[in-house]
Amino acid sequence: KQEVTQIPAALSVPEGENLVLNCSFTDSAIYNLQWFRQDPGKGLTSLLLIQSSQREQTSGRLNASLDKSSGRSTLYIAASQPGDSATYLCAVKSQGGYQKVTFGTGTKLQVIP
Amino acid sequence: DTGVSQNPRHKITKRGQNVTFRCDPISEHNRLYWYRQTLGQGPEFLTYFQNEAQLEKSRLLSDRFSAERPKGSFSTLEIQRTEQGDSAMYLCASSPTGANTEAFFGQGTRLTVV
Repeated sequence: KQEVTQIPAALSVPEGENLVLNCSFTDSAIYNLQWFRQDPGKGLTSLLLIQSSQREQTSGRLNASLDKSSGRSTLYIAASQPGDSATYLCAVKSQGGYQKVTFGTGTKLQVIP
Repeated sequence: DTGVSQNPRHKITKRGQNVTFRCDPISEHNRLYWYRQTLGQGPEFLTYFQNEAQLEKSRLLSDRFSAERPKGSFSTLEIQRTEQGDSAMYLCASSPTGANTEAFFGQGTRLTVV
């Protein structure tokens, strides 16, 4: 059974700092890994999708890396802004079965002006 | 196509009432998933459809929950005799058939049982 863990559970940083969010998963047999953003009481916004054959993906100030063999991914946010405050969720799509997506519990980020 | 659509966005109901949620996936997507997210947690898998066939159900899906996907298009999730513990965000996702495909999520239905 796939298990996804995100560390830290919460993070508070001053505006302008660069930061790293961590995600680990137990079963390396995955098709892809996706990072989502979730604002309070809202749905999921997809940020980046990394296929299992890729090492990283970049979108603006965001960079996500994937090390499938060690079961780890990181989301790097450069020059953080108060608008980045949200919960960030990591999700992996497993091979076999019905390609279920398994989520971590998220990292709640607060960027202080 | 504007993506995965879920209705209603919010639902407040009294304990013991039945509720039904609807999900309209992206039109060409064969796969449809339902997830539940409680406060402070990540979404948890509930059930999966390939076309109209419900192929997997989580143990989280008690007998009070039923999901359908008639004709393999939209899906409904019904909760009977709601309990306060059913209060959560219910998320729907769809994806095309294939290996390295992305799952697209709707904005969710927030259920509050009072």
